[in-house]
Amino acid sequence: QQPVQSPQAVILREGEDAVINCSSSKALYSVHWYRQKHGEAPVFLMILLKGGEQKGHDKISASFNEKKQQSSLYLTASQLSYSGTYFCGTDGGSNYKLTFGKGTLLTVNP
Amino acid sequence: DVKVTQSSRYLVKRTGEKVFLECVQDMDHENMFWYRQDPGLGLRLIYFSYDVKMKEKGDIPEGYSVSREKKERFSLILESASTNQTSMYLCASRPETELTPYSNQPQHFGDGTRLSIL
Repeated sequence: QQPVQSPQAVILREGEDAVINCSSSKALYSVHWYRQKHGEAPVFLMILLKGGEQKGHDKISASFNEKKQQSSLYLTASQLSYSGTYFCGTDGGSNYKLTFGKGTLLTVNP
Repeated sequence: DVKVTQSSRYLVKRTGEKVFLECVQDMDHENMFWYRQDPGLGLRLIYFSYDVKMKEKGDIPEGYSVSREKKERFSLILESASTNQTSMYLCASRPETELTPYSNQPQHFGDGTRLSIL
């Protein structure tokens, strides 16, 4: 079952912050985050493993709450280059498969 | 850098044709995946392979088959193409994970093949 991402789309001005959420109805072992720019391949951002750790990647960070079966991606002081579709992929512990959400379209305007 | 190469960026075929989509990776990864991407539906797993000649069905395998005769190459086959298989197809690879119950390695994606079935 696909995880649910929210919001479906968000528009920001450069410098603003955004949060993208990913929720699952199943127990999770890990959550992966990817960004895809139009016409390009999805690019890996980070993996959150069971244990509730938070990770950072420049001004992009993420958290994983295994009890709530959800993860959040935080984008601070957004840049034009952050524009794209963000996907979360969840692993429920079955054969290392990832199940991806439908994506969140992020648009950063000058 | 990991390189995942899909043989075609754009492909147009006719209904009923047998269609082959090819994917090659250059990093000796054990795991390879085929997804289709449709607007509003995200990425959906068709098949994956965890080793040469080994394959498992994903979430939407109907109408597709796969072949992995060599470690670096993973082929997706549309046995008899239909118009509802018009889509973007993405291949990905990943190194074998450590002995954990969850995936702790990232997947590396190719640029995709936009397939149109007329």
